[in-house]
Amino acid sequence: DAGVIQSPRHEVTEMGQEVTLRCKPISGHDYLFWYRQTMMRGLELLIYFNNNVPIDDSGMPEDRFSAKMPNASFSTLKIQPSEPRDSAVYFCASSLALRGGYGYTFGSGTRLTVV
Amino acid sequence: EDQVTQSPEALRLQEGESSSLNCSYTVSGLRGLFWYRQDPGKGPEFLFTLYSAGEEKEKERLKATLTKKESFLHITAPKPEDSATYLCAVQAVQAGTALIFGKGTTLSVSS
Repeated sequence: DAGVIQSPRHEVTEMGQEVTLRCKPISGHDYLFWYRQTMMRGLELLIYFNNNVPIDDSGMPEDRFSAKMPNASFSTLKIQPSEPRDSAVYFCASSLALRGGYGYTFGSGTRLTVV
Repeated sequence: EDQVTQSPEALRLQEGESSSLNCSYTVSGLRGLFWYRQDPGKGPEFLFTLYSAGEEKEKERLKATLTKKESFLHITAPKPEDSATYLCAVQAVQAGTALIFGKGTTLSVSS
């Protein structure tokens, strides 16, 4: 398996623009997570899905953020409009179970810079 | 509120100089404690899971231990390739909770 695949790897956009981050989880994994990493706050959970259904979105910072999982092999995280404080590395992760001893498998991340 | 605190933030070691990283946690009930390694420009990579106080796990030069309030990642005779950020995460017993991560310890090992 190629692992969790995220695109793009880097995104630079102007304030106010819409940004869409993409994720392909590992085939067969029932859980998909979106995390955001910054120096100040570390890794923060934004939202997670189980069988394509959003379960916990309490970490989504504002209405400007939205996430979808239209099928088991694809998820998007959208920011509209983007702001400079959204600059961070966004990680997607997937897992066979929420409570697995094997942890979550992370993608390589998307580094977002909003200028 | 569930919380994970890692110390130190950064650690510089000479090759062969053993040391330990600390992860203190506050959680309503611990389901599991996880250690990850993160290399620059990459996502975290799973290392260990610990479930109960007194448990230990080993992998090459790394050994993770767990008490009721903290976990240690012991690094024995480190090599430059052990340089990375080490992240600790906890999962609470409460149903439906995902992993909560600490900010990590960045380890640099020089030859």
